[in-house]
Amino acid sequence: RKEVEQDPGPFNVPEGATVAFNCTYSNSASQSFFWYRQDCRKEPKLLMSVYSSGNEDGRFTAQLNRASQYISLLIRDSKLSDSATYLCVVNKGNNDMRFGAGTRLTVKP
Amino acid sequence: ETGVTQSPTHLIKTRGQQVTLRCSSQSGHNTVSWYQQALGQGPQFIFQYYREEENGRGNFPPRFSGLQFPNYSSELNVNALELDDSALYLCASSPGTSGQETQYFGPGTRLLVL
Repeated sequence: RKEVEQDPGPFNVPEGATVAFNCTYSNSASQSFFWYRQDCRKEPKLLMSVYSSGNEDGRFTAQLNRASQYISLLIRDSKLSDSATYLCVVNKGNNDMRFGAGTRLTVKP
Repeated sequence: ETGVTQSPTHLIKTRGQQVTLRCSSQSGHNTVSWYQQALGQGPQFIFQYYREEENGRGNFPPRFSGLQFPNYSSELNVNALELDDSALYLCASSPGTSGQETQYFGPGTRLLVL
């Protein structure tokens, strides 16, 4: 079993749609959690950190469920510019950051 | 732009050769992490350097080694290159090692091993 698992997609959605990505992790001692965005042939960029209380940044909402070892990302009112690969990232501790393989999103007009 | 730079941008080597990749961290950042990203996969953690010392390592063999310099720039060295080493190599800098800080990635070096 991979340490960080994501549905690879692709998710193809129309503009304005709401889309949700899920991620599970295997190490219950993991300490911090993030969503990164990676555009084609570019480097990953931090989208948002994920906190137990849940956090929101504009159209993006992240949730963490430590008991189920589950992280989610919700994107509302999708824009064409949201098309990218979304990477779930888990810090195991000792700065060992584990990335999922990513979920590809394409937003269509 | 993150302020993290990497060189070279692209590199072609043959099996058995050695390669050195370079990374300049963002101003004020004392921590550099290196990742290998194969096509269609997420980045895999190679190791991290903090104040010139290795500070954590992923599941990579000893032929992957690194250095960090007093100005916090860093090198990744790979000896005895194998075909499977073909990948995008990313470095990321951060202002500390707590794991809570954002990591800022450079644009990467694309390595092709023939």
